Amino acid sequence: KNQVEQSPQSLIILEGKNCTLQCNYTVSPFSNLRWYKQDTGRGPVSLTIMTFSENTKSNGRYTATLDADTKQSSLHITASQLSDSASYICVVGPRGASKIIFGSGTRLSIRP
Amino acid sequence: KAGVTQTPRYLIKTRGQQVTLSCSPISGHRSVSWYQQTPGQGLQFLFEYFSETQRNKGNFPGRFSGRQFSNSRSEMNVSTLELGDSALYLCASSQISGDNEQFFGPGTRLTVL
Repeated sequence: KNQVEQSPQSLIILEGKNCTLQCNYTVSPFSNLRWYKQDTGRGPVSLTIMTFSENTKSNGRYTATLDADTKQSSLHITASQLSDSASYICVVGPRGASKIIFGSGTRLSIRP
Repeated sequence: KAGVTQTPRYLIKTRGQQVTLSCSPISGHRSVSWYQQTPGQGLQFLFEYFSETQRNKGNFPGRFSGRQFSNSRSEMNVSTLELGDSALYLCASSQISGDNEQFFGPGTRLTVL
């Protein structure tokens, strides 16, 4: 069964610190993996998208990595800011299928 | 280029009523997907429309329905509302159906009393 699991479910860190969020998937065959940021009560906004041939992609202070062999991805946030407080959702696109698969998200809270 | 727009942004209904939500995709996008998000839950896929045809459907009861117009705008309807239907309903558009980057709207917050 195609699944996407994220950890931790929630995370609290101090402003200025770094953190890493994890995403494991069992989707096969795999086409691409995306990370979204969702502020409370708003729609998700795309941070990065990686195909199976890419193993890292950056967007400012956000860096996503992908290991297609172990089916793992991580999102690293450096020098966290209060505005990084949000849910981060990992989404996997199966190759040849039309229904993408969402993880349940990691709720990140940044404390001053 | 304007983003995905959803109307209304907020809605309050009572049990048993029905509701229609609207989504206008990004210009040129032909695929529209709908999702339900409840507190503490991930996004639950409702259905996807492409060129006025439903391409995929999630595991929701028949009270949830949708349609897409020739200009790619989409509507979602929920009949006989239940308390559990209270949620954020998100619409996402993409250029083509299938494995493609989706752009989300701000959502419609539905509260059922």
